[in-house]
Amino acid sequence: NAGVTQTPKFQVLKTGQSMTLQCAQDMNHNSMYWYRQDPGMGLRLIYYSASEGTTDKGEVPNGYNVSRLNKREFSLRLESAAPSQTSVYFCASMTTGGNQPQHFGDGTRLSIL
Amino acid sequence: AQSVTQLDSQVPVFEEAPVELRCNYSSSVSVYLFWYVQYPNQGLQLLLKYLSGSTLVESINGFEAEFNKSQTSFHLRKPSVHISDTAEYFCAVSEQGGSYIPTFGRGTSLIVHP
Repeated sequence: NAGVTQTPKFQVLKTGQSMTLQCAQDMNHNSMYWYRQDPGMGLRLIYYSASEGTTDKGEVPNGYNVSRLNKREFSLRLESAAPSQTSVYFCASMTTGGNQPQHFGDGTRLSIL
Repeated sequence: AQSVTQLDSQVPVFEEAPVELRCNYSSSVSVYLFWYVQYPNQGLQLLLKYLSGSTLVESINGFEAEFNKSQTSFHLRKPSVHISDTAEYFCAVSEQGGSYIPTFGRGTSLIVHP
């Protein structure tokens, strides 16, 4: 089973460039999430989508946009990359209900020069 | 709103020694509790969860955690660690009946030395 698939796995950008991180899940989950992970900071929620057609801001949304393309796919876009956005980005999905665990992809390692 | 505190950012331990990773949470309502493990260059994986019932929950690889409501804690323990347990461990809490957005602690890096 693929679970949660993120592409690309690695990316290097120059300041000001744009890019889209892709995420797809094959578990028929309603909710999807984007996190960034930085040393000593744990996971910080960027945006989430509780169900198809809805998106909401998380803790650190500035500089990012998202699209819930369909139930399977949830993309994260950096319009004008900044060095502060250098991080590891994780996508997660979860079925409805707070008593369910999240399922994570393997991450995208993004460096902004 | 809920919050999670992992008191130790790093825990070094020798192989075959016992270990405890501490997690405390704060919430005004009842919660669900989770421990996740992250191996190098991988995403987080569920290790174990507390939903209701017995306060002691176990994983398939020898870890256990005990829910203590009075102390609002959910500490993770293993009686004898292996080199392969070296990883980052995250505690997470989700409020019952609330939004489906878990709150994560900042993580504890378990380093097992031979």
